[in-house]
Amino acid sequence: EPEVTQTPSHQVTQMGQEVILRCVPISNHLYFYWYRQILGQKVEFLVSFYNNEISEKSEIFDDQFSVERPDGSNFTLKIRSTKLEDSAMYFCASKYWEDNYGYTFGSGTRLTVV
Amino acid sequence: AQRVTQPEKLLSVFKGAPVELKCNYSYSGSPELFWYVQYSRQRLQLLLRHISRESIKGFTADLNKGETSFHLKKPFAQEEDSAMYYCALREGFKTIFGAGTRLFVKA
Repeated sequence: EPEVTQTPSHQVTQMGQEVILRCVPISNHLYFYWYRQILGQKVEFLVSFYNNEISEKSEIFDDQFSVERPDGSNFTLKIRSTKLEDSAMYFCASKYWEDNYGYTFGSGTRLTVV
Repeated sequence: AQRVTQPEKLLSVFKGAPVELKCNYSYSGSPELFWYVQYSRQRLQLLLRHISRESIKGFTADLNKGETSFHLKKPFAQEEDSAMYYCALREGFKTIFGAGTRLFVKA
């Protein structure tokens, strides 16, 4: 069964550093998403991406965040200057179509900002 | 604001007992609801969606618009059902997740 792949599985970074989280969605999927889950809290929506542009973003997704699909296969989330409160599990997800089908999630990247 | 509430953080039942994981939502339109499950050390995965009215791994969930609920049920719990369960509501391009309920099925 096709999977969404995320790398790395764990990233430790110093506060103020830039990080790039990588995702390879399922190849024929058209809609891509990033969610995050701070330890002990809810899974929160960050951003959705379709047709090479952001279709929706949450309040969390401020100017420090950006997404890119640089080569038609990878889907990246960049945090420009990490803060301690960015420490969380980041999940990538994809869907073939924006309808009432559910997501296929990646296994997540645990980001620890020290 | 649209919201998904799962009132129980932890639900512990014996193997073979019925299980009901509660979910209530608030949504002004016609809701599209899902249950996701996360087994230990595995990724979040879709369990079922209300639109398909399906039963997956013995679980069912019925949308009750009058009570604004979408409770997940299984008549006889199995040990392998132990996991974290998330109720979720689709709104536009995003999905709103509940806080999750950890189900622990005891032998």
